[in-house]
Amino acid sequence: QKEVEQDPGPLSVPEGAIVSLNCTYSNSAFQYFMWYRQYSRKGPELLMYTYSSGNKEDGRFTAQVDKSSKYISLFIRDSQPSDSATYLCAMSSPSGGSYIPTFGRGTSLIVHP
Amino acid sequence: DAGVTQSPTHLIKTRGQQVTLRCSPKSGHDTVSWYQQALGQGPQFIFQYYEEEERQRGNFPDRFSGHQFPNYSSELNVNALLLGDSALYLCASSLARGRTNEKLFFGSGTQLSVL
Repeated sequence: QKEVEQDPGPLSVPEGAIVSLNCTYSNSAFQYFMWYRQYSRKGPELLMYTYSSGNKEDGRFTAQVDKSSKYISLFIRDSQPSDSATYLCAMSSPSGGSYIPTFGRGTSLIVHP
Repeated sequence: DAGVTQSPTHLIKTRGQQVTLRCSPKSGHDTVSWYQQALGQGPQFIFQYYEEEERQRGNFPDRFSGHQFPNYSSELNVNALLLGDSALYLCASSLARGRTNEKLFFGSGTQLSVL
């Protein structure tokens, strides 16, 4: 079993839909939880960054962390074609004096007009 | 403000050859991490450099080596290339803040193809 599990998709939705992206994990030591967006032939870009459990909102994006269930989510409201990308979840715990994120494999999202 | 820059953008090598990839971190950052991303997979951590030393290493063979220079830029070297080394190699920079999580800023990567 991988430490971080993420459905690769693709997830195809119409413009304006609410998108839900999810990851599960097995390592209870993870403390920081992140979502990255990666466009084709580009590097990942940090979207959301949360510590421990709870919700965090930033514009159309909401990140949720449920440590008791080892489950994290990213919600995108009013999705746009420009949101079409691969979304990577990542999480980290202290190890050897630094926090090295472990990434999921990414979910491909397609928002069609 | 320049972000993370990587060179070259694309590279084609043959099995057994050696390759060097380069990275300049975002201005103000002092830590560089290297990741390998195979097609359809998430980035896999190779190693991290801080203060010109390798601080952490992932599960990669010692064919993968690196270096950090006094200006914080970094190189990734891969010897005896295998077909399986074909991937996107990502450099990420961050600012070390002691014992706390560092936000990573990624470059666009170097696409390495091994034939």
